Amino acid sequence: RKEVEQDPGPFNVPEGATVAFNCTYSNSASQSFFWYRQDCRKEPKLLMSVYSSGNEDGRFTAQLNRASQYISLLIRDSKLSDSATYLCVVNGIRGNQFYFGTGTSLTVIP
Amino acid sequence: NAGVTQTPKFRVLKTGQSMTLLCAQDMNHEYMYWYRQDPGMGLRLIHYSVGEGTTAKGEVPDGYNVSRLKKQNFLLGLESAAPSQTSVYFCASSYAPRGNQPQHFGDGTRLSIL
Repeated sequence: RKEVEQDPGPFNVPEGATVAFNCTYSNSASQSFFWYRQDCRKEPKLLMSVYSSGNEDGRFTAQLNRASQYISLLIRDSKLSDSATYLCVVNGIRGNQFYFGTGTSLTVIP
Repeated sequence: NAGVTQTPKFRVLKTGQSMTLLCAQDMNHEYMYWYRQDPGMGLRLIHYSVGEGTTAKGEVPDGYNVSRLKKQNFLLGLESAAPSQTSVYFCASSYAPRGNQPQHFGDGTRLSIL
């Protein structure tokens, strides 16, 4: 079983739409969770950390569900510039390693 | 604001050749990582280091070696390149992963092995 699993999509949504991604993780002892954004042929860039109580950054909301071992990312009022691949990242058993999902592709359509 | 710098950006090698990828960070991070990214596979950890003079194997270490002689530098070596090592390589660094300390990435090295 993979450490981190994501629906690869693609998600194609119109501008202004709300879209949500989920990511499941296998290690119940994981403590750190992140969402990264990766544009085509570029490096991953931190979008936001995910805190236990959930957190919001502008149009982006991240949630953590420890009981079901998943994290989610909600994007409201989608912009064309939100088109990218979104990577879910979870730390591993020893805490030193991070495991990446394969990413969810989002295209926002005019 | 250099952050994490990788050199070279691109390289084409012949099978059996050797080369070293350099990663340098100026954020005084303790932890450094080397990943490879292949289509449909996501990022996979090759080796990592939790401090100067220490290294450890990640998920896919075979065929690679690393060294961390200075805190700011993390080198990835391919002793005898193979076509299966054609990939995009990313270096990352972070503070010790207590709490939610994220990783910061370099902009990648695109390596082709013919």
